[in-house]
Amino acid sequence: NSKVIQTPRYLVKGQGQKAKMRCIPEKGHPVVFWYQQNKNNEFKFLINFQNQEVLQQIDMTEKRFSAECPSNSPCSLEIQSSEAGDSALYLCASSLSSGTGLDTQYFGPGTRLLVL
Amino acid sequence: GEKVEQHESTLSVREGDSAVINCTYTDTASSYFPWYKQEAGKSLHFVIDIRSNVDRKQSQRLIVLLDKKAKRFSLHITATQPEDSAIYFCAASVYAQGLTFGLGTRVSVFP
Repeated sequence: NSKVIQTPRYLVKGQGQKAKMRCIPEKGHPVVFWYQQNKNNEFKFLINFQNQEVLQQIDMTEKRFSAECPSNSPCSLEIQSSEAGDSALYLCASSLSSGTGLDTQYFGPGTRLLVL
Repeated sequence: GEKVEQHESTLSVREGDSAVINCTYTDTASSYFPWYKQEAGKSLHFVIDIRSNVDRKQSQRLIVLLDKKAKRFSLHITATQPEDSAIYFCAASVYAQGLTFGLGTRVSVFP
């Protein structure tokens, strides 16, 4: 069973508000991924980190989305100005991979964001 | 970028029979293919994976096959049980990139 912790489990925001969610990876896992799963089961990879460094991110996350994985603190994903289309399940995963993307990713329970 | 197509959106199988889910991918550089199970209201649970250096892998009742020429991989759930009922997602990854998922297959096991 995965030991990735995500908080909060549910988040309700108005359009234009900030939305912030956190993730604690499994102990000893240096690589963290963020994904968005919408109601149609479409997944979108957002960003990944190895320790504190960004490995890869898609264009979307360079605009309204920001993420970090500070040393000795939970990783976080923040949406600066929420839009209705951001309503989704945000999943954090961690792995032992050295950043190759070829190692098993273990997912947390997710943060379900609803933007009204 | 990579695209993964999951061919069966739903699958209904009798308990004890086998279920087969097929996926195809587009990027020949993909080298890692995991499968995840998602039960209602829950997160993704890793079930099995296969890397491009092998063409078959088995873990208990689960078998994964990979055909790199056809860019196709499949999950076989043998001797299905009621607790196998869930949505199964296939995924593919190119070196050092995030996973690209299929849209899921809802598997229902009936008595």
